[in-house]
Amino acid sequence: AQSVTQLGSHVSVSEGALVLLRCNYSSSVPPYLFWYVQYPNQGLQLLLKYTSAATLVKGINGFEAEFKKSETSFHLTKPSAHMSDAAEYFCAVSDRGSNYKLTFGKGTLLTVNP
Amino acid sequence: EAGVTQFPSHSVIEKGQTVTLRCDPISGHDNLYWYRRVMGKEIKFLLHFVKESKQDESGMPNNRFLAERTGGTYSTLKVQPAELEDSGVYFCASSPSGTGQPQHFGDGTRLSIL
Repeated sequence: AQSVTQLGSHVSVSEGALVLLRCNYSSSVPPYLFWYVQYPNQGLQLLLKYTSAATLVKGINGFEAEFKKSETSFHLTKPSAHMSDAAEYFCAVSDRGSNYKLTFGKGTLLTVNP
Repeated sequence: EAGVTQFPSHSVIEKGQTVTLRCDPISGHDNLYWYRRVMGKEIKFLLHFVKESKQDESGMPNNRFLAERTGGTYSTLKVQPAELEDSGVYFCASSPSGTGQPQHFGDGTRLSIL
């Protein structure tokens, strides 16, 4: 069975500071990994995805994530936080054997302080 | 292209009543998924359609939930009779066929059972 752990339900950073949101996964087969973002009163928007190509994945809005198999991690980073980045972020895993259904982490709420 | 559309955006009903949620996927997407987020918990998989066929309904909570996908287009999720624990946000997502394709989410239906 798959699982995702997001360390820190709430992360607070200052505008311009580094954003680091942690995600560790468990999967018995090669995984597909995703980060989604949810802004208030909106649906989930895909930020980026890892599908076994390059281990460093670049997404929208300046975010990127690195797949580290040895650490079973897929942490999300952004060099400089912007006020508009305040949202809830979800890490998710899927695989072919599960028909690509997503297993989500509990989410991390990012607050950006001026 | 039009995104995934969900109706209604909010629904408030009393315990014992029936509610039907609707999802219109992105045109041409064979895969349609339903997820639910109960307050304070992670987003959880409910079921998966491939075209009009149920591929996996392992996440459906009980037989009070009935999902259909007419002609492989839109999908409905009916809850009858609704119970207090059914409250939450119900998300629909769709994806095209193919390995590791990301899912595109609707804005969700917020369901409140009184």
